[in-house]
Amino acid sequence: NAGVTQTPKFRVLKTGQSMTLLCAQDMNHEYMYWYRQDPGMGLRLIHYSVGEGTTAKGEVPDGYNVSRLKKQNFLLGLESAAPSQTSVYFCASGQGLSYTFGSGTRLTVV
Amino acid sequence: AQKVTQAQTEISVVEKEDVTLDCVYETRDTTYYLFWYKQPPSGELVFLIRRNSFDEQNEISGRYSWNFQKSTSSFNFTITASQVVDSAVYFCALSAGAGNNRKLIWGLGTSLAVNP
Repeated sequence: NAGVTQTPKFRVLKTGQSMTLLCAQDMNHEYMYWYRQDPGMGLRLIHYSVGEGTTAKGEVPDGYNVSRLKKQNFLLGLESAAPSQTSVYFCASGQGLSYTFGSGTRLTVV
Repeated sequence: AQKVTQAQTEISVVEKEDVTLDCVYETRDTTYYLFWYKQPPSGELVFLIRRNSFDEQNEISGRYSWNFQKSTSSFNFTITASQVVDSAVYFCALSAGAGNNRKLIWGLGTSLAVNP
């Protein structure tokens, strides 16, 4: 029972490069979320999905895109990475009031 | 507006001391849920407790206890006889809104250092 799996765990990008972060859950949860965590800022919601094929903007969506083509996967894309996107990214899935978090992806943009 | 405030940015205690982490929330919803999460130095987020707005009973789990007071919009967390392993960042969060608008709103966290 893996829960929520994020890949990769660490990544270093050059400014302007693109990448996709993958979040996979095996709990059949309807809701999935992407957060970023920065020092002193807590967790901020980037995008979320309320079901397969749906996405919605969160608090800080600019510079990111997401897709939920399959219920179990929620992808976060950075089309042109910027140093301001250096952060720790957390994915979560939820059903009702139960939330499960992945272990995080530490992304550095140089 | 919905908001969670954790006024204590950092707390440092000596092992075996009791420590209380404060959480104050704002919401206009009558039905809402409050959470506490722990983030140890390893970085993962560990769920500690969820409490709904209709249940003001305090809860105790081992050395951990939570005090929910709707009158002051507070959901404080106390660690009794703290241990070094309690050193972590602790987040309070609020879940409010209906249906697809329901989201978790996070406080900025309190960094707790328990020194031997």
